[in-house]
Amino acid sequence: GQNIDQPTEMTATEGAIVQINCTYQTSGFNGLFWYQQHAGEAPTFLSYNVLDGLEEKGRFSSFLSRSKGYSYLLLKELQMKDSASYLCAVVRVYSGAGSYQLTFGKGTKLSVIP
Amino acid sequence: GAVVSQHPSWVICKSGTSVKIECRSLDFQATTMFWYRQFPKQSLMLMATSNEGSKATYEQGVEKDKFLINHASLTLSTLTVTSAHPEDSSFYICSARSPGLTYEQYFGPGTRLTVT
Repeated sequence: GQNIDQPTEMTATEGAIVQINCTYQTSGFNGLFWYQQHAGEAPTFLSYNVLDGLEEKGRFSSFLSRSKGYSYLLLKELQMKDSASYLCAVVRVYSGAGSYQLTFGKGTKLSVIP
Repeated sequence: GAVVSQHPSWVICKSGTSVKIECRSLDFQATTMFWYRQFPKQSLMLMATSNEGSKATYEQGVEKDKFLINHASLTLSTLTVTSAHPEDSSFYICSARSPGLTYEQYFGPGTRLTVT
């Protein structure tokens, strides 16, 4: 089966740095996405990692270790608008022919306080 | 580019009635679309994968006779909740697979269904 774990809630101060962790167990792994979701809205794409290492994109960075089944999303210079849920989603490929699905973690609700 | 729309954005219906939700890729062709359901404070749960011109593949525990999916064109997939009950009240989100050799999905804005 598949198992994806991330903390339920986190609180951080405006201007600070926060790291949101995600651990996973799955077969057919072919990458990991991070999405941001504001309440009542659809998820929006933040990052995709398929190789080990750190990918940096502006204030957001994402890290992946395939051998450890571990990823994190790093948010720098936090702003109030960063208050949202952050979802990690694992790509599982199956049955060949490009068939795949995303399995989402339960999400981490981040609250940024002044 | 890569915009996915959903209609309606919210709907209230009476128990026992059917509701149709449309998902459209506005500026690209989507051979594969996905339907998710999200309950409050829960994550997105994949309901089914919809491929244009073929039958949808449903996830375990999702009743295919209750949640009818039709992907009749490369830009439109529909989800019909038949004989809706209050426990079907949820946030339904569709997504479309990005064109090309990528696993990225573009999400629609979601449809809030309330069954009274």
